[in-house]
Amino acid sequence: DAKTTQPNSMESNEEEPVHLPCNHSTISGTDYIHWYRQLPSQGPEYVIHGLTSNVNNRMASLAIAEDRKSSTLILHRATLRDAAVYYCILIGNFNKFYFGSGTKLNVKP
Amino acid sequence: KAGVTQTPRYLIKTRGQQVTLSCSPISGHRSVSWYQQTPGQGLQFLFEYFSETQRNKGNFPGRFSGRQFSNSRSEMNVSTLELGDSALYLCASSLASDRRTEAFFGQGTRLTVV
Repeated sequence: DAKTTQPNSMESNEEEPVHLPCNHSTISGTDYIHWYRQLPSQGPEYVIHGLTSNVNNRMASLAIAEDRKSSTLILHRATLRDAAVYYCILIGNFNKFYFGSGTKLNVKP
Repeated sequence: KAGVTQTPRYLIKTRGQQVTLSCSPISGHRSVSWYQQTPGQGLQFLFEYFSETQRNKGNFPGRFSGRQFSNSRSEMNVSTLELGDSALYLCASSLASDRRTEAFFGQGTRLTVV
């Protein structure tokens, strides 16, 4: 399974943008990059996904490097409700997700 | 529309027993995946079913098994429970078994083995 590397934790101030990095140097040409987050005591929640181009949705933006070996999840204005563990996942075949350890995001008021 | 429903939410079993967990996917979704989450190992993939067929399996012993019914509902069974099986078991459903689609997770079943 293709692996991802994320910082263990990050901290942000409320109302400020947050950039969560992910390295995936072994990504293959057909792997999609997905981001999920998990709030305490809940199942993971889909955030965004992409293949090659940058993607935007109502929750976040995903910036993908030109060589696809890294990506960045951007939360434009962090809120206290965004405090969660964020997982960067590569999806190759079917729906086999390899979660990794994720980044725990703390948001300070 | 209703989300992914997992039952029961909490379960306490004794070592050596077996347990069956249930997952009802979102209506119209045909892919169901199962995951085990523990503090030490994080989220680990168990298996995935699509249209009643197991498409992929993680690195778990044969005591862990599952199935999917024609209505896409899925069950996961763990036989001869061990203390180390205590975990949060999550299921996720997707429209298709496709890397381009998003997965929706249930709240999980918290299994405690004593």
